[in-house]
Amino acid sequence: SQKIEQNSEALNIQEGKTATLTCNYTNYSPAYLQWYRQDPGRGPVFLLLIRENEKEKRKERLKVTFDTTLKQSLFHITASQPADSATYLCAPSSGGSYIPTFGRGTSLIVHP
Amino acid sequence: ETGVTQSPTHLIKTRGQQVTLRCSSQSGHNTVSWYQQALGQGPQFIFQYYREEENGRGNFPPRFSGLQFPNYSSELNVNALELDDSALYLCASSPSATKQGNTEAFFGQGTRLTVV
Repeated sequence: SQKIEQNSEALNIQEGKTATLTCNYTNYSPAYLQWYRQDPGRGPVFLLLIRENEKEKRKERLKVTFDTTLKQSLFHITASQPADSATYLCAPSSGGSYIPTFGRGTSLIVHP
Repeated sequence: ETGVTQSPTHLIKTRGQQVTLRCSSQSGHNTVSWYQQALGQGPQFIFQYYREEENGRGNFPPRFSGLQFPNYSSELNVNALELDDSALYLCASSPSATKQGNTEAFFGQGTRLTVV
């Protein structure tokens, strides 16, 4: 069955450092992969979408990579700030309906 | 804030009861999806509606049903509530026809349902 793996342990980093979050998937070949941010008690907020034929996508301090051979996406936040503290969700979409399937998310905590 | 609004924000129901959750999609969006998010888990896809028709369904029993109205707002109905139905229910709208995976989804703030 399709499986999405994100680090269940929280990632703690110091302000100003680069945070790198990992999303691994098995048993499918997503055409797209999205990353969302979710704050406690709130709905997810879209951050970036990357297509299977794209290796890398950037938006301001955010960068996403998509390696279809390794079946992995990496999400980077450079010059992290305490306001970046949240849970980050990975959501690959396979062919057909293209409905995204969400991982459980990784909690990022940026310490001042 | 997105233009997606959900009501109510919190709800407590008794096991066996029925519940209706509501969602107003963002203006111009014709596709609405519903997700269930248990504590510490990612959102799980329940179903999607496109122009008032169900357009995909996740692994949820038939007691989870929905509707989409001509103005593209939507309802999620859950019958015979079970304790495990306690979760945050999220509605997401998008402007694309059926290929939601290739466009961003705009989520509401969710409805926190507690079944006792």
